[in-house]
Order: sequence, then structure tokens, then C-alpha cells
Amino acid sequence: AQKITQTQPGMFVQEKEAVTLDCTYDTSDPSYGLFWYKQPSSGEMIFLIYQGSYDQQNATEGRYSLNFQKARKSANLVISASQLGDSAMYFCAMREPTGTASKLTFGTGTRLQVTL
Amino acid sequence: ETGVTQSPTHLIKTRGQQVTLRCSSQSGHNTVSWYQQALGQGPQFIFQYYREEENGRGNFPPRFSGLQFPNYSSELNVNALELDDSALYLCASSAGIYNEQFFGPGTRLTVL
Repeated sequence: AQKITQTQPGMFVQEKEAVTLDCTYDTSDPSYGLFWYKQPSSGEMIFLIYQGSYDQQNATEGRYSLNFQKARKSANLVISASQLGDSAMYFCAMREPTGTASKLTFGTGTRLQVTL
Repeated sequence: ETGVTQSPTHLIKTRGQQVTLRCSSQSGHNTVSWYQQALGQGPQFIFQYYREEENGRGNFPPRFSGLQFPNYSSELNVNALELDDSALYLCASSAGIYNEQFFGPGTRLTVL
């Protein structure tokens, strides 16, 4: 079963508009972390925002906010005031323990295209 | 502060060959994780090294092996390369096993 599901292969948004990228997750562990990464065509994974499973407030980092709905197991990324430079692949990931290690499990990503 | 670096940037090999990819972790980081990202997919966890020991492994065969050195830099070795090993290999370092992982720019491996 998919642990991280991103149902939007591609999204378009106009410059200066807000956009929501969807992410649902599946885990039985009460302690986990949720991340969003941006991957431009260069390949590097750029950390955007983090939400811990016990955090009471939704995380925010500048123009990025995470809409965390624990009961629904969703962790959607909201980008406000989109910019042309936001065009990239976006990955949702969950950190969970695996034995003594801690790994990130990624979704299949959403390609965001910002248009004029 | 120097971020995570990886070398080489690109690599072309043929089936059956062996390859070594290198990763220098960020200063102060003692944990390195390796991921494989096939085209059009999200990264898949290969393994993690903590203080020179492998402390976790994903669903990859034994021909994927690694090392971590006393300065916490790391190598990923792949033996008997297969066409499906063509991918972007990402290294991430962190200040501890459960700390935030910072990614390097990746090594793009092509197996012909």
C-alpha cells in the first residue's frame, strides 16, 4: 500500500495566485514527521516545510504553509502568491523509524507550472 | 557553512560494471542517507549510515553497499550494474538519525 499519495501529477497556477498541492499519508506509528520538498530541474531536493505529528499548529514558512488534518491523514502544501521560480516538482515525504534508522518515504510528486 | 556535496555529477557505465558515488556531509552532521530516484518517481531509501555503521536499509539487493568514513563522508557502491540502476542518486546528511535531512545535488547515473 502507498504510504504517501500525491494524486495530482501536474498543476498549473497563475503568477501571484495561491495553489494547494495535495498529500495523504498512511501510518500506524503515532510519531512521524511530514515534509515537503521542492525539486527543480537541477535535481537537488530543497526542504520547504516540516510538520510533526504532535504539533498543534499548522506549520508555516514564508509563503509556504502546511494544512495538516491528522484525522484525515492529509498534509497539503499551500503556496501563496506564486512566483515563476516556484515552477518545479514538489514531493511530500514522511519520516518514520525503520529499525534503528529513520528514513523518508516520498510520494510520486506533483509538477507545478506557474504561468504569467 | 558548506552544504552537502556529491561527486561525480554525471556518470555513464555499462551493464556489469561497478560504480562508486561519493558524498560529503554538511559540517557537524554524523548521519548520511542514500536515496535512488528513478525517472518520474520519488526517491527511494537505499540505506542510512550513522557514525560509520549501517543502521538501516531499504529494499535494495546486497550489490548496493556503502561506507561511512571517520569524517562522516560516505560512499555508495553498486556492483554488477543493471539497466534499471539508471537513476539520480541522492545523498542526505543530518545532525542525527531523527534530524532534518539536507540533500546534495545528486549524481545522475546512466547504465547502457
